[in-house]
Amino acid sequence: AQRVTQPEKLLSVFKGAPVELKCNYSYSGSPELFWYVQYSRQRLQLLLRHISRESIKGFTADLNKGETSFHLKKPFAQEEDSAMYYCALSKGSARQLTFGSGTQLTVLP
Amino acid sequence: NAGVTQTPKFRILKIGQSMTLQCTQDMNHNYMYWYRQDPGMGLKLIYYSVGAGITDKGEVPNGYNVSRSTTEDFPLRLELAAPSQTSVYFCASSYRGQGANEQFFGPGTRLTVL
Repeated sequence: AQRVTQPEKLLSVFKGAPVELKCNYSYSGSPELFWYVQYSRQRLQLLLRHISRESIKGFTADLNKGETSFHLKKPFAQEEDSAMYYCALSKGSARQLTFGSGTQLTVLP
Repeated sequence: NAGVTQTPKFRILKIGQSMTLQCTQDMNHNYMYWYRQDPGMGLKLIYYSVGAGITDKGEVPNGYNVSRSTTEDFPLRLELAAPSQTSVYFCASSYRGQGANEQFFGPGTRLTVL
């Protein structure tokens, strides 16, 4: 069965420092992976997806099939990056998502 | 576009009561989903639908029922509320296409069963 693991429940960094949110997955097929973010008092929303290979708000994530990882990185964290981040894997007829337990990122001034 | 709307925002139920959580989307999306989120946990899929008249169970369907009579609406029914169903419920939708597409989420319904 597919599984998504985010080992850090809480992560704090100082403004301007690099940040990396870890995500590991287990899945027998070709994974489609996403990062979703929930800012305070806002809805859960898509941050980025691995197939797009894009950078959104300075964040990037590279799929490493050998290590079964999809870590989210940003070289210089900003206070507005403080939020809850979820890694998710898509599979099935409706592309339904399996979520990790989330990492609460706090960027300190 | 309002996107995905959910009602109510909050609800307190007594054990054994029933209720329906409403979900509507105005984006003409084929796929719709119900997730629940318990404290400190990620979202878990309850039910999903690939189109009107078609629904299927997710990871945690026990104690819930759904229907999809129209493209827009995907209500979630709790028949006999139990304390274990205390959670935040999220509805989401996405369009059908090649590969996985972005899911759009509603604001959530916070349910407490006492």
